Amino acid sequence: DAGVTQSPTHLIKTRGQQVTLRCSPKSGHDTVSWYQQALGQGPQFIFQYYEEEERQRGNFPDRFSGHQFPNYSSELNVNALLLGDSALYLCASSLGTGFLEQYFGPGTRLTVT
Amino acid sequence: TQLLEQSPQFLSIQEGENLTVYCNSSSVFSSLQWYRQEPGEGPVLLVTVVTGGEVKKLKRLTFQFGDARKDSSLHITAAQPGDTGLYLCAGPRGGADGLTFGKGTHLIIQP
Repeated sequence: DAGVTQSPTHLIKTRGQQVTLRCSPKSGHDTVSWYQQALGQGPQFIFQYYEEEERQRGNFPDRFSGHQFPNYSSELNVNALLLGDSALYLCASSLGTGFLEQYFGPGTRLTVT
Repeated sequence: TQLLEQSPQFLSIQEGENLTVYCNSSSVFSSLQWYRQEPGEGPVLLVTVVTGGEVKKLKRLTFQFGDARKDSSLHITAAQPGDTGLYLCAGPRGGADGLTFGKGTHLIIQP
């Protein structure tokens, strides 16, 4: 039973560039949530996708956008990258939009130079 | 202002000792979760507490949810080096605001 997978593992981008991160949920899950975790901090909720629509959103600017595909996989897009966007980006999947049983992927480490 | 305050921020103890870490808030949560995260990995869910006053045990780990559902604690008995990691508490903010995490407690168990 495959768990949550994320790609790529690491990524280095330059300020002003755009980036796309990918997530495949755990088998049987239909909801994907994205989090940003800065070094030494707890994860911060970015948004959640269910039935191919953004259902909930944290306090992140519009530069952060996402998409969910019919197979429940998801992408996180960040435009006009800033140095402060450097972080570990975590994807979590669940069955339904509640947060009681979330499974996290290993994350994508994004470095913006 | 952090919605969930975790303490201590760092803790380093010897193998075999007992410890307690705390997660506090001024807000009421419908539930609280505890995760453990190791370097280079995503958080792994340890437990979810839902009822005020609830106590759950997971081997040497004991989790408690405060009666008012504003705080929680994690107690580890006879800590082992394998318990080393970042312990995070998290709870739903309600509405459409997703899940809120504390900053975590960095725990190191020295052999």
